[in-house]
Amino acid sequence: AQRVTQPEKLLSVFKGAPVELKCNYSYSGSPELFWYVQYSRQRLQLLLRHISRESIKGFTADLNKGETSFHLKKPFAQEEDSAMYYCALLILTGGGNKLTFGTGTQLKVEL
Amino acid sequence: DADVTQTPRNRITKTGKRIMLECSQTKGHDRMYWYRQDPGLGLQLIYYSFDVKDINKGEISDGYSVSRQAQAKFSLSLESAIPNQTALYFCATSGINSGELFFGEGSRLTVL
Repeated sequence: AQRVTQPEKLLSVFKGAPVELKCNYSYSGSPELFWYVQYSRQRLQLLLRHISRESIKGFTADLNKGETSFHLKKPFAQEEDSAMYYCALLILTGGGNKLTFGTGTQLKVEL
Repeated sequence: DADVTQTPRNRITKTGKRIMLECSQTKGHDRMYWYRQDPGLGLQLIYYSFDVKDINKGEISDGYSVSRQAQAKFSLSLESAIPNQTALYFCATSGINSGELFFGEGSRLTVL
């Protein structure tokens, strides 16, 4: 079954500390994974996708097929990183693709 | 700016009432989605539509129905609302075979 697992509901770190938000997936096909972010009082929006191999707002995520993981990392947390983060898996269907989301991790960066 | 707009933004209703949540978009996307967000459960897909003539059930479609009136409009209906349908509902759009979804601001529904 296709599934995305985010084991932490809440992650609390101090400003300047490293951040790692965990994401594991289960998918029989070739995975395409994404991280979405929802800042307070803002819309859910795409943060980054594994295909792009880019760093956005200091965040990176590497797809590890052996461990079926796509953890989101940032070396030094900033206060403005506090938000809800969702990992998502693109699933192929007969007519097209759809996204399956994990349960989300609330990141709180404390001063 | 091209956008995804949901109405109403907030609604309180009673058990058994019929409710419609509307979504319109100016992005020109063929694909539209309805998700439900609950604390601890994340985002769950209710229904999705790849074009005007295509409607598909998602993970949690029971108790819901949808209508794709035009490329730009996708409505979600609760024929007889119940309290466990209290949630935040999101509409989203995407381009073909794209994993980038563009979300509306959400519609908060409370069923008493």
